[in-house]
Amino acid sequence: DAGVIQSPRHEVTEMGQEVTLRCKPISGHNSLFWYRQTMMRGLELLIYFNNNVPIDDSGMPEDRFSAKMPNASFSTLKIQPSEPRDSAVYFCASSPNGQPQHFGDGTRLSIL
Amino acid sequence: RKEVEQDPGPFNVPEGATVAFNCTYSNSASQSFFWYRQDCRKEPKLLMSVYSSGNEDGRFTAQLNRASQYISLLIRDSKLSDSATYLCVVNGAGNFNKFYFGSGTKLNVKP
Repeated sequence: DAGVIQSPRHEVTEMGQEVTLRCKPISGHNSLFWYRQTMMRGLELLIYFNNNVPIDDSGMPEDRFSAKMPNASFSTLKIQPSEPRDSAVYFCASSPNGQPQHFGDGTRLSIL
Repeated sequence: RKEVEQDPGPFNVPEGATVAFNCTYSNSASQSFFWYRQDCRKEPKLLMSVYSSGNEDGRFTAQLNRASQYISLLIRDSKLSDSATYLCVVNGAGNFNKFYFGSGTKLNVKP
């Protein structure tokens, strides 16, 4: 079975640029989560969707971050404009309601 | 106060040792509990769920203490391959879809 698929695996870009991270959840999973992980702050939930609807975006750091889920098989996390402090590993995860989450491989983002 | 708190470690143990981690959670109404394992530069992966009666999976035993609001993970006969960070996960009360991850406990098993 295909797991959660994230792209790109690595992204290096200059500050001020727009960054778009992509995620394809496991088919049949109706909850999708975006996390950010750094050494200092650990794993932080940014936003999660249930049945394509954003339910809780209280973890989104600021207006530079936005996330969409136009359909059940695709989600994006966008940062515009990007800043060096956004450098982190961004994980997407999916699950059936209330069940343990399955994580993608992550996107390692570096903002110079 | 954080929703989930763990000792960051590291726990440095020799092969064959028994090691235990605890994790405390703040919301007494939480219903679902899990342990995840994360290897260096990899994604977190589900290790095991934690059931009220306690459960075992090979060398791993998980227990829940609702009265004191903690969960534990016991690893017996530890292997070099058990070296990883172990994350405690608790769901939000009233919102079974929202999960809180602890910051993780790092385990180093040495030969």
